[in-house]
Amino acid sequence: DGGITQSPKYLFRKEGQNVTLSCEQNLNHDAMYWYRQDPGQGLRLIYYSQIVNDFQKGDIAEGYSVSREKKESFPLTVTSAQKNPTAFYLCASSFPAQPQHFGDGTRLSIL
Amino acid sequence: AQKVTQAQTEISVVEKEDVTLDCVYETRDTTYYLFWYKQPPSGELVFLIRRNSFDEQNEISGRYSWNFQKSTSSFNFTITASQVVDSAVYFCALNSRGSTLGRLYFGRGTQLTVWP
Repeated sequence: DGGITQSPKYLFRKEGQNVTLSCEQNLNHDAMYWYRQDPGQGLRLIYYSQIVNDFQKGDIAEGYSVSREKKESFPLTVTSAQKNPTAFYLCASSFPAQPQHFGDGTRLSIL
Repeated sequence: AQKVTQAQTEISVVEKEDVTLDCVYETRDTTYYLFWYKQPPSGELVFLIRRNSFDEQNEISGRYSWNFQKSTSSFNFTITASQVVDSAVYFCALNSRGSTLGRLYFGRGTQLTVWP
C-alpha cells in the first residue's frame, strides 16, 4: 500500500545528543514536510522540500537539519542545539497544492 | 500574511448532538485552498476536505458538512448526529498561491469530545 512511514514511533534523546527521525514515502510525491506539534499549539512547519537536493526552512528551523538526497526520503535530525525537543513530529508529503498525506508521527522525549 | 484561527480550543457534546467547528482565515491572495484534517488519539492526520477559493458551494459528505463563506473568511465544519468515534482534534489549514506552493498554515486545532 502507498503511504508515508515514519520511524521510530518513540525516541529518547540524551543531553548533547543528535537524533535522526526517518520519513519515507512511496506516493511519488515531489514535496515533503516536517512539522512539530506541541500540546495546544497546532502544527508548526520545521522544514520543507519541493524537489530532491533542495529544501527550505520553515517557521521553527533552528536546532534542526534535513537532507533530501532521494525523492522518497526526508530525514530530520534534531541537533543538540534544539533546547526543547520534546514534541510530536509529523512528516507529510504531497503534490503541489494537493492535500498533504501524513505519517503516524514520532514522539521524541528527553532522558 | 497567512493565518488560520480556530477560536474553540475544546468542545464537548453528547452523542447525537450536532456540533460546528469554527475556522477563520486570513490571506491577501485571491487564489487559495482550505483544508480540514482530523487527528484521532492515535496521532496521524487524516485529510477530510479541500476547497478552493473560487468554489463557495457548501459540501456535504454523510454526517459531515462544510460552510465556506468568503464574505466572513470562514470555513466552518459541522458534524451532524455526532458519534463517539468523532472524538479527535480537528485542524483547519490554508494554502495560498502567494506562499510557497504546497505549504500549509494550520490553526491550533479544536479538541472535540463526544460522550456516549
